[in-house]
Amino acid sequence: GAVVSQHPSRVICKSGTSVKIECRSLDFQATTMFWYRQFPKKSLMLMATSNEGSKATYEQGVEKDKFLINHASLTLSTLTVTSAHPEDSSFYICSARDPSGGSYEQYFGPGTRLTVT
Amino acid sequence: GIQVEQSPPDLILQEGANSTLRCNFSDSVNNLQWFHQNPWGQLINLFYIPSGTKQNGRLSATTVATERYSLLYISSSQTTDSGVYFCAAGGGFKTIFGAGTRLFVKA
Repeated sequence: GAVVSQHPSRVICKSGTSVKIECRSLDFQATTMFWYRQFPKKSLMLMATSNEGSKATYEQGVEKDKFLINHASLTLSTLTVTSAHPEDSSFYICSARDPSGGSYEQYFGPGTRLTVT
Repeated sequence: GIQVEQSPPDLILQEGANSTLRCNFSDSVNNLQWFHQNPWGQLINLFYIPSGTKQNGRLSATTVATERYSLLYISSSQTTDSGVYFCAAGGGFKTIFGAGTRLFVKA
């Protein structure tokens, strides 16, 4: 089945620094990837839709200058949290859709736990 | 945009009992998925079921697209079934998650 990986799985950074999270589709090409955020004991909130070769589409209330998304290839999307603050601490999960079979099923990565100190 | 509601929010079962989790969605969908989130946060994909019925062992799911709901059935529950179950639905490119059902199965 389709596999999505994320790196790193866990990161701790100091307030004011930037952190980059990578999301890769390992065995398929993903023209569209998605970034979600999850707070403790809450559901997943869609942050943005990332399209290969074009600008990401951000959900209402998500700061695009804070959360920079780049989808430079068909297998890689990156999320950069710029000038991180403690309130950016969260669990970030990416997903991708494999369009080759005509299905709208999304495959999810294992997530990245970000802690900003 | 699409709204996704799950019920019940919390469920406590005795081991061996059966349960039904419900997911209502506000618009037509081309994607409907059920997940179990493990304690490490990984989403375990249970079913991709925008319509129809599927079964996998003790789990089965049914989506009635015309009435905009999906059901997840867990039979003969085990303590390892404990955790959070999410329904996620989408009508276009985006997939939105429900708030989840937190299940605890007692031994």
